[in-house]
Amino acid sequence: EMQLVESGGGLVQPGGSLRLSCAVSGFTFSSFWMTWVRQAPGKGLEWVASIKQDGSEKNYVDSVKGRFSISRDNAKNSLYLQMNSLRAEDTAVYYCAPLWRYALDAWGQGTTVTVSS
Amino acid sequence: QSALTQPPSASGSPGQSVTISCTGTSSDVGGYNYVSWYQQRPGKAPKRMIYEVSERPPGVPDRFSGSKSGDTASLTVSGLQAEDEGDYFCFSYAGGRYVFGTGTYVTVL
Repeated sequence: EMQLVESGGGLVQPGGSLRLSCAVSGFTFSSFWMTWVRQAPGKGLEWVASIKQDGSEKNYVDSVKGRFSISRDNAKNSLYLQMNSLRAEDTAVYYCAPLWRYALDAWGQGTTVTVSS
Repeated sequence: QSALTQPPSASGSPGQSVTISCTGTSSDVGGYNYVSWYQQRPGKAPKRMIYEVSERPPGVPDRFSGSKSGDTASLTVSGLQAEDEGDYFCFSYAGGRYVFGTGTYVTVL
């Protein structure tokens, strides 16, 4: 069974940084594109970023380009999201998910990021 | 990178059918057969219900079906049950990036 556990969320001031992690088990991590998705309080889902199996290709939603960086460590079965220059509008629950046939195959419970002074 | 358009709400009585639309453009929904649908119950993580427009993952009831015509994809839930209540989001590949729909809350009356 695919399992994903996100961590690293918390309260941070505007302009600050956080690094989210996603530990996975139950599937061959290195075989999948991986994705971060977020959901602001009471709002819909937003695709944030995706990374290819070997890390050679990364894509981002325009609103985070230049501020967020997605990475992975296949040896540790882990996905990361480095978030810099955080804004209030980045406040959300962040989920990681593997992409399989262009769909999000499984989800963790998410980690909450709150950007506030 | 605009979100795909979904109606905010839909409803039906137990046993009835409800269909949710998801309208995009030729750059996303219309350009690829890579639309998926997710159910999200309150306070829970989303769950994949449909992928590649009309494919059902193992364990998803055949009451759930998907289709696409042009720039609009649709999810139909037949034989509505109380457990089907919740938010539904579409998700489409858009050539190197992805985009979600605005979400539809389904109420079982």
